Amino acid sequence: GAGVSQTPSNKVTEKGKYVELRCDPISGHTALYWYRQSLGQGPEFLIYFQGTGAADDSGLPNDRFFAVRPEGSVSTLKIQRTERGDSAVYLCASGLAGGPDTQYFGPGTRLTVL
Amino acid sequence: QKEVEQNSGPLSVPEGAIASLNCTYSDRGSQSFFWYRQYSGKSPELIMSIYSNGDKEDGRFTAQLNKASQYVSLLIRDSQPSDSATYLCAVNTRGSGGYQKVTFGTGTKLQVIP
Repeated sequence: GAGVSQTPSNKVTEKGKYVELRCDPISGHTALYWYRQSLGQGPEFLIYFQGTGAADDSGLPNDRFFAVRPEGSVSTLKIQRTERGDSAVYLCASGLAGGPDTQYFGPGTRLTVL
Repeated sequence: QKEVEQNSGPLSVPEGAIASLNCTYSDRGSQSFFWYRQYSGKSPELIMSIYSNGDKEDGRFTAQLNKASQYVSLLIRDSQPSDSATYLCAVNTRGSGGYQKVTFGTGTKLQVIP
């Protein structure tokens, strides 16, 4: 079956612009996670959705970052007024409810802010 | 103190040798422990999970957990050049809302020399 997909695979934008990153989880997975991975670092937790609601958004670095999952499937991570420090690979993972051991990662979106 | 600590490496081992990767964690309440492999430019891939003290073997991989010492390790026997990658240790930690979220270490880069 299809795995987690993310679009776009690469996004180059200018400082101050708005970007949207999309994640399409594995069908039937109710848990969805967003991570950010900078060069030489491990994935850094951003936000977790259980169904449509954000169960934990404590990893979002500031109010420029926002994520939605309106129908409990596809999720969009939105970044306003992008800064050069936002440049990273944004990873999405999905899983079954009740256990982090079932997370499956998508290929990621590489965001470059010029 | 970081929640999950790993030596960034690189760890170089000759082909056929045993590679030993180590990780310590700070949250004594953690219950689940994971090793992910990440090839350059790719997303993390779960290779081992362990929940109880002791050893867990899967093919050439053995995960070892010592909760009293807050230590988890991964042994790779008969290392192959294809094992060259970054190995991420991940530990579940308490997230807001009572669910268990995964915290990653920075990863150890493994190089297997032919």
